[in-house]
Amino acid sequence: EAQVTQNPRYLITVTGKKLTVTCSQNMNHEYMSWYRQDPGLGLRQIYYSMNVEVTDKGDVPEGYKVSRKEKRNFPLILESPSPNQTSLYFCASNSPGNTEAFFGQGTRLTVV
Amino acid sequence: AQSVAQPEDQVNVAEGNPLTVKCTYSVSGNPYLFWYVQYPNRGLQFLLKYITGDNLVKGSYGFEAEFNKSQTSFHLKKPSALVSDSALYFCAVRDAQYSSASKIIFGSGTRLSIRP
Repeated sequence: EAQVTQNPRYLITVTGKKLTVTCSQNMNHEYMSWYRQDPGLGLRQIYYSMNVEVTDKGDVPEGYKVSRKEKRNFPLILESPSPNQTSLYFCASNSPGNTEAFFGQGTRLTVV
Repeated sequence: AQSVAQPEDQVNVAEGNPLTVKCTYSVSGNPYLFWYVQYPNRGLQFLLKYITGDNLVKGSYGFEAEFNKSQTSFHLKKPSALVSDSALYFCAVRDAQYSSASKIIFGSGTRLSIRP
């Protein structure tokens, strides 16, 4: 089954404790993205990757890092989480051109 | 710059009545347009897309959307609403001129509530 898998689904952490949210896709898509969803703001792109070893900033990259060492994986790293990063995070993948994106189930992160 | 506007935070409709969820967009070139639905505790699911051709696009679960270039709109419609259609709906746009890049812009979302 074609899917994007994120882990964990839920995470509560403390300010400053480094964390990684994993994302993996099995559709051989070139493009992968991370979004955060906040009430009234829709989905905002954090980082995206057009292929292995190619990453770029989205609209709200501050406080986040990503890597793309393999085509299927695109982890999101928070080196020093802060409470304003409490949000619902989605990973997505797609092929180039006019194709739709496929989304993971989401990771609800709370930073206290 | 690309942008998407969903002017209604919430739409309330009685079951069996037609529904419309509004979306307007702005891109420099031709648009690729998408609708997604999000059910509670789930990721976004693709509903339908407009790329080119017929302005009326049909998608999953009986939904359709009408592309109107002059009004730069892409409203989501369904002739007869079901309670199970209650969810959060997102409109999204990608500029066809830059489709090789991964940039998809999402609207702020419209919560659709169908009362029995």
